[in-house]
Amino acid sequence: AQRVTQPEKLLSVFKGAPVELKCNYSYSGSPELFWYVQYSRQRLQLLLRHISRESIKGFTADLNKGETSFHLKKPFAQEEDSAMYYCAPSSYNFNKFYFGSGTKLNVKP
Amino acid sequence: EPEVTQTPSHQVTQMGQEVILRCVPISNHLYFYWYRQILGQKVEFLVSFYNNEISEKSEIFDDQFSVERPDGSNFTLKIRSTKLEDSAMYFCASSGDGNYGYTFGSGTRLTVV
Repeated sequence: AQRVTQPEKLLSVFKGAPVELKCNYSYSGSPELFWYVQYSRQRLQLLLRHISRESIKGFTADLNKGETSFHLKKPFAQEEDSAMYYCAPSSYNFNKFYFGSGTKLNVKP
Repeated sequence: EPEVTQTPSHQVTQMGQEVILRCVPISNHLYFYWYRQILGQKVEFLVSFYNNEISEKSEIFDDQFSVERPDGSNFTLKIRSTKLEDSAMYFCASSGDGNYGYTFGSGTRLTVV
């Protein structure tokens, strides 16, 4: 089974500052990795997925297989980025996601 | 943009009662899921459903739980005899191809009293 660690429960940064939300995973096999975001009072939304190697809302995430990490980064945080962020590897057959405990990002003006 | 719809948004029930949580997945999706989130805790996998049968379930998903796709559009989660510890936010999700992540519903908050 996969295990996901998001070590920071809360991360506070000022607007315009860089932000990095950490995610480490243990794995058997080669999981696919995703980040989900939950804005206040809204549903969980897919933010980005490793397989697409995309940048969404200025966020990127690099898979480091050596460190088994998939940290989420943004060079200049915006107030509207304030939300809960969940790292989520999927099982080998994409049958389920293993969600981390989440990091609450608070971007201060 | 297509959405996954969940009803009701909030349900209060007495311990021991049966509840049915309803979900309407995105119409051309083939994979369906239920997750739950107890207040202050992480999102936990309950069950995945494909081709009219359960493809995987967690240890949380015991005999008190069941899922059904009764009419080709709704996807329901039934809890036969609710316990206090079933109080949580229940999220339904669907996927056309799990490879590309899910679309989640907005959740049903279940409160067992």
